[in-house]
Amino acid sequence: GNSVTQMEGPVTLSEEAFLTINCTYTATGYPSLFWYVQYPGEGLQLLLKATKADDKGSNKGFEATYRKETTSFHLEKGSVQVSDSAVYFCALRLTGGGNKLTFGTGTQLKVEL
Amino acid sequence: EADIYQTPRYLVIGTGKKITLECSQTMGHDKMYWYQQDPGMELHLIHYSYGVNSTEKGDLSSESTVSRIRTEHFPLTLESARPSHTSQYLCASSESHLYGYTFGSGTRLTVV
Repeated sequence: GNSVTQMEGPVTLSEEAFLTINCTYTATGYPSLFWYVQYPGEGLQLLLKATKADDKGSNKGFEATYRKETTSFHLEKGSVQVSDSAVYFCALRLTGGGNKLTFGTGTQLKVEL
Repeated sequence: EADIYQTPRYLVIGTGKKITLECSQTMGHDKMYWYQQDPGMELHLIHYSYGVNSTEKGDLSSESTVSRIRTEHFPLTLESARPSHTSQYLCASSESHLYGYTFGSGTRLTVV
């Protein structure tokens, strides 16, 4: 079946540090890939997406590249801020299967001064 | 600016009560979803709909029910709330597979 595996958290970083959150996937077709962010007490917000191999999604300083050869979609940011503290979810969506998103388990990021 | 609305944001209710969590979207999306999010953060799909009069059970068995009488409205009902139903409930809607979901802000339900 389809699945998404994320690195476990919490990830704790100092402000201005480099961030990587690993995400790998297993899919029976060619998925679209997404990163969502959830701030405390809120719903999920779409952070970025990529719909085909080698696409790079980017938003608010975050980037992720769709790597078909390694089935990965790692999230990166060059310099994190305290305001980036949140839970990050990687997800995939296939063209069939009812178009449902398959989520990873989420990675909590804590950024400290 | 939210295009998908969930009410209430917070609800504390006694065991045995019937409750309905509301979800409405203004984007004209056919597909809508309900997720239950446990304290460990993991998201569990409990119901989804592909359009009016279409409802399906999700990956996680739930005692709740849903209806889809209008495109924009996808309420979730618990006939008899129990403490085990305490959780955050997130509603979402979407277009095609090229797009992600748009989520509401969630309803945090506590059953005492």
